[in-house]
Amino acid sequence: VQLVESGGGLVQPGGSLRLSCAASGFTLSPYWMSWVRQAPGKGLEWVANIKQDGSEKYYVDSVKGRFTISRDNVENSLYLQMNSLRAEDTAVYYCARVPFSSSWYDYWGQGTLVTVSS
Amino acid sequence: SYELTQPPSVSVSPGQTASITCSGDKLGDKDACWYQQKPGQSPVLVIYQHRKRPSGIPERFSGSNSGNTATLTISGTQAMDEADYYCQAWVSSTVVFGGGTKLTVL
Repeated sequence: VQLVESGGGLVQPGGSLRLSCAASGFTLSPYWMSWVRQAPGKGLEWVANIKQDGSEKYYVDSVKGRFTISRDNVENSLYLQMNSLRAEDTAVYYCARVPFSSSWYDYWGQGTLVTVSS
Repeated sequence: SYELTQPPSVSVSPGQTASITCSGDKLGDKDACWYQQKPGQSPVLVIYQHRKRPSGIPERFSGSNSGNTATLTISGTQAMDEADYYCQAWVSSTVVFGGGTKLTVL
């Protein structure tokens, strides 16, 4: 089982970025998936959840209306579209898998760094 | 909004027992879990459903809960256990993490 994030980088305030998370070693479709971020020197913060078929999505209040979580079960990938980025969105972004009928994360990616700065 | 509260830091001597608490309203009714995170690494699940250990996690890691508090206990703490520890709970289709506890082994 492996989760590999990509798409991070330096972006100006107000800009956009799309993160990807490629899953391998398992089929993405049966699992809830999440994005979790960690600002430099800070703790973990949940960002968004998506149900197996993409029919339900949930977000932390601070990103509602700016971020969109999505998935492509054929491509075995998870995405996070981030718009109207702010300095406080600077963080390492992890994708994580939720095992069947559970409420914890059994696998995490290595993370991708997003830096929002002018 | 729901909050989980952890002490910012805990210190323990090698070979002794470390306890890290996580408090939240009716936390005992939820499936709390714990992650270990070492510098520059991704989090690793060490306890789920309050007290279960994933395969590969040493037996010295254990969990318990009582009412509003979940506790992670590390018995016979080793230098390699020095890390940040986070509790987590699932609340109405959203996820909440505690603020994290830095465990120092000295």
